[in-house]
Amino acid sequence: EAGVAQSPRYKIIEKRQSVAFWCNPISGHATLYWYQQILGQGPKLLIQFQNNGVVDDSQLPKDRFSAERLKGVDSTLKIQPAKLEDSAVYLCASSLDTGPNSPLHFGNGTRLTVT
Amino acid sequence: DAKTTQPNSMESNEEEPVHLPCNHSTISGTDYIHWYRQLPSQGPEYVIHGLTSNVNNRMASLAIAEDRKSSTLILHRATLRDAAVYYCILRDALAGGTSYGKLTFGQGTILTVHP
Repeated sequence: EAGVAQSPRYKIIEKRQSVAFWCNPISGHATLYWYQQILGQGPKLLIQFQNNGVVDDSQLPKDRFSAERLKGVDSTLKIQPAKLEDSAVYLCASSLDTGPNSPLHFGNGTRLTVT
Repeated sequence: DAKTTQPNSMESNEEEPVHLPCNHSTISGTDYIHWYRQLPSQGPEYVIHGLTSNVNNRMASLAIAEDRKSSTLILHRATLRDAAVYYCILRDALAGGTSYGKLTFGQGTILTVHP
């Protein structure tokens, strides 16, 4: 099966600019996650979708970050305006459902550098 | 979220077994024990998971203590390709509960494999 696709692979922007990341999950996977991974740390969940509804966005900085999953398939994560501390790898993952026997499948991420 | 404790780093020699420990003394009855690993410049990858009984798959074995307060991931013959960060994570089985099956990553164990 095809894996989770993310683009772009790398992005460099200046602070206060905006940026968007795209994710195409594995076909048929109802649950989609966006994680932020700062260098040297484990991934941190930003937002979780079940189909096209948000089930957890408690750690999403909503003043600058937004995400959507139209039609319950692809998803985009946007940052506007970016800050230096947003430099990180943004990982998208999907799973069949939220059950414990549905492992998460991760993409290889988008590395964002904010200068 | 229930917490796990792992050593920061471990080393092994190629073709030798590796035992990666994880403590989770506050585990609840509905928490599954999941292991993921992250190779350099890649997203995390599912390794194995279990609830109470020991589990085996093509990648590894998972040994779970009888009281479930600790577990050990066993790589039977380490290869250079097994060098990665290994994460031990508790995943709530209660779909629809506040955790909605999300994975909360810690710092993980950096495994170095020597040729």
